[in-house]
Amino acid sequence: KAGVTQTPRYLIKTRGQQVTLSCSPISGHRSVSWYQQTPGQGLQFLFEYFSETQRNKGNFPGRFSGRQFSNSRSEMNVSTLELGDSALYLCASSFDRDEQYFGPGTRLTVT
Amino acid sequence: GENVEQHPSTLSVQEGDSAVIKCTYSDSASNYFPWYKQELGKGPQLIIDIRSNVGEKKDQRIAVTLNKTAKHFSLHITETQPEDSAVYFCAGEDSSYKLIFGSGTRLLVRP
Repeated sequence: KAGVTQTPRYLIKTRGQQVTLSCSPISGHRSVSWYQQTPGQGLQFLFEYFSETQRNKGNFPGRFSGRQFSNSRSEMNVSTLELGDSALYLCASSFDRDEQYFGPGTRLTVT
Repeated sequence: GENVEQHPSTLSVQEGDSAVIKCTYSDSASNYFPWYKQELGKGPQLIIDIRSNVGEKKDQRIAVTLNKTAKHFSLHITETQPEDSAVYFCAGEDSSYKLIFGSGTRLLVRP
């Protein structure tokens, strides 16, 4: 069974721009969660989508948003990028509220 | 909300020795505690997890113990090998099913 895939793997953006990251969950999994990983703050939960609905949300500003499609693929968007948004963005899939399996992440650098 | 603390931040052991990583959590309602291994350039990999209805779980050289009364859980790796070198994260699931991660332990296994 294929694992979680994320695209792109690396991205360089300029302050003020916006970015969209994509995540394809494991086949059959309906839940996708997004996390931000930085050296200073560690792994922090952004939000979770289940059956195309946001089911849970972390403490991030409204510039961070996401959505989920009917095939369970998910995208997250960050608008008006700031230098502090540079991070590894990870998505994790699960069937429902059970074991979460992570993708390789998207490394975002904001200059 | 849930808070997870992890110790030590770095751990160096000789190949063949055992390694122990400890985590404490704050929310007594937490019931699910996974452990992840993250190698350089990769996403976190689920290596073992435990639910609150058991005190210990083993999988080959890896074991996790849980003490609900004291609100702490530990990862034990026996007969360590160089390929065990990685960053290990513990996590606790809060009441809204979000994973709250510890700050990570960098394990180095010296050949």
